[in-house]
Amino acid sequence: DTEVTQTPKHLVMGMTNKKSLKCEQHMGHRAMYWYKQKAKKPPELMFVYSYEKLSINESVPSRFSPECPNSSLLNLHLHALQPEDSALYLCASSQPMGTGETYEQYFGPGTRLTVT
Amino acid sequence: GQNIDQPTEMTATEGAIVQINCTYQTSGFNGLFWYQQHAGEAPTFLSYNVLDGLEEKGRFSSFLSRSKGYSYLLLKELQMKDSASYLCAVRDSGYSTLTFGKGTMLLVSP
Repeated sequence: DTEVTQTPKHLVMGMTNKKSLKCEQHMGHRAMYWYKQKAKKPPELMFVYSYEKLSINESVPSRFSPECPNSSLLNLHLHALQPEDSALYLCASSQPMGTGETYEQYFGPGTRLTVT
Repeated sequence: GQNIDQPTEMTATEGAIVQINCTYQTSGFNGLFWYQQHAGEAPTFLSYNVLDGLEEKGRFSSFLSRSKGYSYLLLKELQMKDSASYLCAVRDSGYSTLTFGKGTMLLVSP
């Protein structure tokens, strides 16, 4: 199984709403990532979890709150977002450095988020 | 930090060969990846180079020269389904993190 799943596929939320994005993988990967991708732009790294601990936060605003409840799950909690946060949010997973040969990241299909 | 440069757009004909170049200037380097991304879909892994030379995988090949900070992705026997964005990504030396180039949009015409 080389699949990363994400739910929901699409999400529309108001600026006062609280919602969560979910990501799951069963490849035994111990590194998981959140990326944000705007139209016709490359993915931009937001957060990295390694062995369920937050290892990198790329200066992301606090209205985005990641959570890694176990080695298979990654959540992104959203609160008080702005319209400019509308984007495709991609989850990815890989083996951490030192545990595999290539460490390529496998991406989920993404959640298309629209903030109104 | 990382600075990664690749052409914005390229066009090619079905059945032809196309080479997509990527140059990078990085503070650390531990591998270069190529991903394919169709519109509205997730990036999918194509190839990986960490040592100089050519890696071949079917119709796709990737080349790396670390001394020149240069890589290319070679696509042979182009098919219409190869129309997509091709992302060059460099991995930092200390972490598993990737920094992506802006992507090259390839349009394959009949």
